[in-house]
Amino acid sequence: GAVVSQHPSRVICKSGTSVKIECRSLDFQATTMFWYRQFPKQSLMLMATSNEGSKATYEQGVEKDKFLINHASLTLSTLTVTSAHPEDSSFYICSAEGHPSSGNTIYFGEGSWLTVV
Amino acid sequence: GENVEQHPSTLSVQEGDSAVIKCTYSDSASNYFPWYKQELGKRPQLIIDIRSNVGEKKDQRIAVTLNKTAKHFSLHITETQPEDSAVYFCAASQSGYALNFGKGTSLLVTP
Repeated sequence: GAVVSQHPSRVICKSGTSVKIECRSLDFQATTMFWYRQFPKQSLMLMATSNEGSKATYEQGVEKDKFLINHASLTLSTLTVTSAHPEDSSFYICSAEGHPSSGNTIYFGEGSWLTVV
Repeated sequence: GENVEQHPSTLSVQEGDSAVIKCTYSDSASNYFPWYKQELGKRPQLIIDIRSNVGEKKDQRIAVTLNKTAKHFSLHITETQPEDSAVYFCAASQSGYALNFGKGTSLLVTP
């Protein structure tokens, strides 16, 4: 079945640095991918919708200059957390919608644990 | 936008009993309602989903019911087992749009 791969699974970075997380659809093309953030014991909160070849759409309260999203191809979307701070430490996870032939199933990446020290 | 409410936030049942988790949604345009099981630190796993042209769907011990008029849908797990213990999330969306998640239900099945 369709697979979404996310990398890295865990990353620790120093405060003030930037971190890039990749989300790839391995056997299908995804014109739209979604980025979520999940704090411990909380639900998944949509951060932004990543559209191939155009600007991402950010949810209210999410800083677009801090969370840079690039969706340069039909199989890759990247999220860059710029000037990271400890409060950005969280579980970041992407998802993509499969082809209608698969019932438009949503596929999730493995998720990325970010720890900012 | 869509607002999904989920209850209860925690649920403890004895092994073999049934568990029911309920969700309501606000956007009548939503037509896709999946349920996810998430273990700590891992991606959500789709356990069952239902689309708005269906009222009920069953897969072995798991069933989902949908009432579009009332805008609510429920997850039913029968004959619960300890390995069913996890956090369960409901979600609602329109095709092509992001999932809107409920706040989750932490299910504990005690032997």
